[in-house]
Amino acid sequence: GNSVTQMEGPVTLSEEAFLTINCTYTATGYPSLFWYVQYPGEGLQLLLKATKADDKGSNKGFEATYRKETTSFHLEKGSVQVSDSAVYFCALSDQMGGSYIPTFGRGTSLIVHP
Amino acid sequence: GAVVSQHPSWVICKSGTSVKIECRSLDFQATTMFWYRQFPKQSLMLMATSNEGSKATYEQGVEKDKFLINHASLTLSTLTVTSAHPEDSSFYICSAGPGALFGSGTQLSVL
Repeated sequence: GNSVTQMEGPVTLSEEAFLTINCTYTATGYPSLFWYVQYPGEGLQLLLKATKADDKGSNKGFEATYRKETTSFHLEKGSVQVSDSAVYFCALSDQMGGSYIPTFGRGTSLIVHP
Repeated sequence: GAVVSQHPSWVICKSGTSVKIECRSLDFQATTMFWYRQFPKQSLMLMATSNEGSKATYEQGVEKDKFLINHASLTLSTLTVTSAHPEDSSFYICSAGPGALFGSGTQLSVL
């Protein structure tokens, strides 16, 4: 079956530090890959996505590249801000029949200190 | 553009009462919607797959009589938590559509 593994948190950084949150996946098909962000007290928001190999998703300074050869989709940001403190979920969406079944990682908490 | 709208965002109810959560697809039709539950500090857990015009498919360990799902139209699925108890307090979220669009979630607190 499909699965997503992401690094355990919390990840604690100082403002302006470089961020990497690792994510690897297993899938039977050819999935789309996503990063979601959940700010405190809020629901999930789509941060970025990539639908095919070598695609790079980017948004708000965050980037992730779909690496089929390493089955990875690591999230990076060059300079984090306090406002980036949140929980980040890596996910894949694979098609089964006519439906897209999402599978999530366990989430990685990011804490950014001033 | 395509959006998934979920209502209410939060609800507080007394133990023993029932709570209904709505999930709507805007600007697209969804024959399938998914309902998740999130426990504190944990990832989302798929509860059930809601199929328009037919019975929902529940994941192992999820009580179908406790969590009633109705998908009566191509744009609306509802989750009813029946006879809610404090242990049902959680964050519930739905998703639909290609690309896994998510609702904003519902925080349920049962007193």
